[in-house]
Amino acid sequence: EIVLTQSPGTLSLSPGERATLSCRASQSVSIRFLSWYQQKPGQAPRLLIYGASNRATGIPDRFSGSGSGTDFALTIGRVEPEDFAVYYCHQYGSSPAFGGGTKVEIK
Amino acid sequence: QVQLVQSGAEVKKPGASVKISCKASGYTFSDYYMHWVRQAPGQGLEWMGIINPSGVSRSYAQKFQGRVTMTRDTSTSTLYMELSSLRSEDTAVYFCARLNYYDTSNYVVFDIWGQGTMVTVSS
Repeated sequence: EIVLTQSPGTLSLSPGERATLSCRASQSVSIRFLSWYQQKPGQAPRLLIYGASNRATGIPDRFSGSGSGTDFALTIGRVEPEDFAVYYCHQYGSSPAFGGGTKVEIK
Repeated sequence: QVQLVQSGAEVKKPGASVKISCKASGYTFSDYYMHWVRQAPGQGLEWMGIINPSGVSRSYAQKFQGRVTMTRDTSTSTLYMELSSLRSEDTAVYFCARLNYYDTSNYVVFDIWGQGTMVTVSS
């Protein structure tokens, strides 16, 4: 079973700052199966990034994904007020799993 | 539009069972695998299991084996998840999610999610 560890747990930023979120896997993950989701309070998760680096439909280009093997990252180029949320990485292997999440909060 | 609409909140006593529904619309329900994911209050997302398009094949996370049953009714485009022997730790929001393949099946995603169903287990 692949375990995903996200860091930091919380990221405190001011609007306009750059955010870098990390997702580390306990075993190598195919980029085919690595995605990122955004979740706001009281809402369902929303697909942001698939295939480690592809933006989903309607996602602004300030969001970008990178990585391979066991190390992946989500970057928000300049954080906008609507980006304050929790972000989860996800791997779809034989036993799908989510990381513990990174909360991006207003500093 | 493509959407998944789940049933309303439930309050159950320990030891009871709960059955949640998830109704699909705007797409061909029988073409897609479906999943259930839950989220305890203030916690992260936890994958529970998958059911194939016909409903014949299912796979559950080991943690829920023996307590969860996922079914689907293609005539009504509705997905169901029943969890038995409820305990306080099962208090959570339960989400259904559609599995989709992007870019000629190169990538796997959960692209559509239900709004969530809150299940509270309390004596």
